[in-house]
Amino acid sequence: ELKVEQNPLFLSMQEGKNYTIYCNYSTTSDRLYWYRQDPGKSLESLFVLLSNGAVKQEGRLMASLDTKARLSTLHITAAVHDLSATYFCAVGSNYGGATNKLIFGTGTLLAVQP
Amino acid sequence: NAGVMQNPRHLVRRRGQEARLRCSPMKGHSHVYWYRQLPEEGLKFMVYLQKENIIDESGMPKERFSAEFPKEGPSILRIQQVVRGDSAAYFCASSPSQGEKLFFGSGTQLSVL
Repeated sequence: ELKVEQNPLFLSMQEGKNYTIYCNYSTTSDRLYWYRQDPGKSLESLFVLLSNGAVKQEGRLMASLDTKARLSTLHITAAVHDLSATYFCAVGSNYGGATNKLIFGTGTLLAVQP
Repeated sequence: NAGVMQNPRHLVRRRGQEARLRCSPMKGHSHVYWYRQLPEEGLKFMVYLQKENIIDESGMPKERFSAEFPKEGPSILRIQQVVRGDSAAYFCASSPSQGEKLFFGSGTQLSVL
């Protein structure tokens, strides 16, 4: 059974600082997603990572995937308050030879302090 | 192109009543997924459906919960005889085909009194 773990669960950062969120998963998968969720809102897709060594960047966020280590990272550069949210990684779970659902990590609550 | 539409946005039920949650996928999407989110937790997979078929219900509780996605109309998640532990946010997502990115609705917040 696929398990997805994120750390840290809570991250308090100062504006302007850099930090990394980690996502480990237990079995082979062919895709990994990062989502953002604001309080009381739905999930917004940030990145889709499909292959080993994939790196995607959008603004101050950069995501990478190492399928051999079963590890993805979400790196935050020079944090700003607007990045405060909960970030989830989600890993595709294979069923019958194809990915049929996503298994989510526990989430990382990011609070960027001025 | 409207996104994934869920209704109601908020639903209050007393213990023992039935809850029906609706989800209309994005236009052109025939794959629907239901997830449950408890306070300060991640999303837990419940069920994956295609039109008229349940593909994977491994995350659904064995009793009181059921889901359908008929040929016409929205997908329905039905919870019979609700208990306080059913209080959660229920999110629906859709995709155009298996393995594609999921698009999430705004969720239904179920509160059981």
